[in-house]
Amino acid sequence: AQTVTQSQPEMSVQEAETVTLSCTYDTSENNYYLFWYKQPPSRQMILVIRQEAYKQQNATENRFSVNFQKAAKSFSLKISDSQLGDTAMYFCAFTLNYGGATNKLIFGTGTLLAVQP
Amino acid sequence: SAVISQKPSRDICQRGTSLTIQCQVDSQVTMMFWYRQQPGQSLTLIATANQGSEATYESGFVIDKFPISRPNLTFSTLTVSNMSPEDSSIYLCSVGTGGGQPQHFGDGTRLSIL
Repeated sequence: AQTVTQSQPEMSVQEAETVTLSCTYDTSENNYYLFWYKQPPSRQMILVIRQEAYKQQNATENRFSVNFQKAAKSFSLKISDSQLGDTAMYFCAFTLNYGGATNKLIFGTGTLLAVQP
Repeated sequence: SAVISQKPSRDICQRGTSLTIQCQVDSQVTMMFWYRQQPGQSLTLIATANQGSEATYESGFVIDKFPISRPNLTFSTLTVSNMSPEDSSIYLCSVGTGGGQPQHFGDGTRLSIL
């Protein structure tokens, strides 16, 4: 069975600074995807970034980047130039890649990020 | 990405009643899923809604409690039956188009049971 662990229940960062959220996962599979989703108080789940396990290059989306360490089963999210609108709960998620289908997501417990003015 | 409309956005219900939540997508999608998010918790998959066949339920969730319909490739419903205060949660639908593309979520339904 696959599991996802986020060891930081809460984090705080000053506006314009950089913060890194940690995520580790456990799987015996070799082909999978990893995601970070954010959930602001409005409760909408918003995709932040996606990483394919077979790609060594770390994914980047504007101010968001990941550090994907496949051997260590680690998938951290770095937010640069933090903005007040980044305040949200951040979930790390895992899904297997098989059959070309969309498979279920397994979520971590989340990290509540507060960006301070 | 697909536009997902979920209704109702919130409701307050009496113990023992049932509520049906609707999820409408603006394009045909292969996969639709229903998740539950209990207060202060992460998301847990309830079931995968299969078009034209019975839903596939995760361990701990049963059809009698959470019946699901998926009559076509753009619409699904989740019913929360015989509700108790423990069912107070956010219920979210998500859709996937396959090929490793990420799931996209509706805005969720916040359900409170008195």
